[in-house]
Amino acid sequence: EAGVAQSPRYKIIEKRQSVAFWCNPISGHATLYWYQQILGQGPKLLIQFQNNGVVDDSQLPKDRFSAERLKGVDSTLKIQPAKLEDSAVYLCASSSRTGGGEQYFGPGTRLTVT
Amino acid sequence: DAKTTQPPSMDCAEGRAANLPCNHSTISGNEYVYWYRQIHSQGPQYIIHGLKNNETNEMASLIITEDRKSSTLILPHATLRDTAVYYCIVRVAGDYKLSFGAGTTVTVRA
Repeated sequence: EAGVAQSPRYKIIEKRQSVAFWCNPISGHATLYWYQQILGQGPKLLIQFQNNGVVDDSQLPKDRFSAERLKGVDSTLKIQPAKLEDSAVYLCASSSRTGGGEQYFGPGTRLTVT
Repeated sequence: DAKTTQPPSMDCAEGRAANLPCNHSTISGNEYVYWYRQIHSQGPQYIIHGLKNNETNEMASLIITEDRKSSTLILPHATLRDTAVYYCIVRVAGDYKLSFGAGTTVTVRA
């Protein structure tokens, strides 16, 4: 079974530029999550999708961050414009509606904003 | 969700059991204890979870005290590849949201 795929793995941009990250969850997983992990901290949930609907985006800075999951499969997270404090690893995870709800994480995208 | 407290770091010897403590004194009856780990430069990896009974799988064992206020993750024979940050998370049944703390950095030494 293929795992959660993310791209790119690394991205360096200047502040005020825009950037997009892509995630393809495990096949059949209805729930998809985006997390932000700042160096030295645990991951923080940004947004949770159930199929193509948003379940929780309470921690998403909506003035600059946006996310979509149009067909209920893969998802894109965008930052526009980026700030220095957005430097972090962006993790995507997915889970099935059956089982214990364990989340399976991708390798993440490391973003550096200069 | 109940908060958890973990030691910031611990060392253990290769081949020995590693016992990772977690305090969750405000846990509610419908909250599960989950453990994840994150190896350097990788995404977190699910290890095990439990409600009140002890649990064991191919990776680890989870011991939950009778009052459910604390738990211990046991890695029976630690290897160098078990070096990682280990997160103890309390989660409400039916709510898939995970709230990660700082975790315990475990270093397995040869």
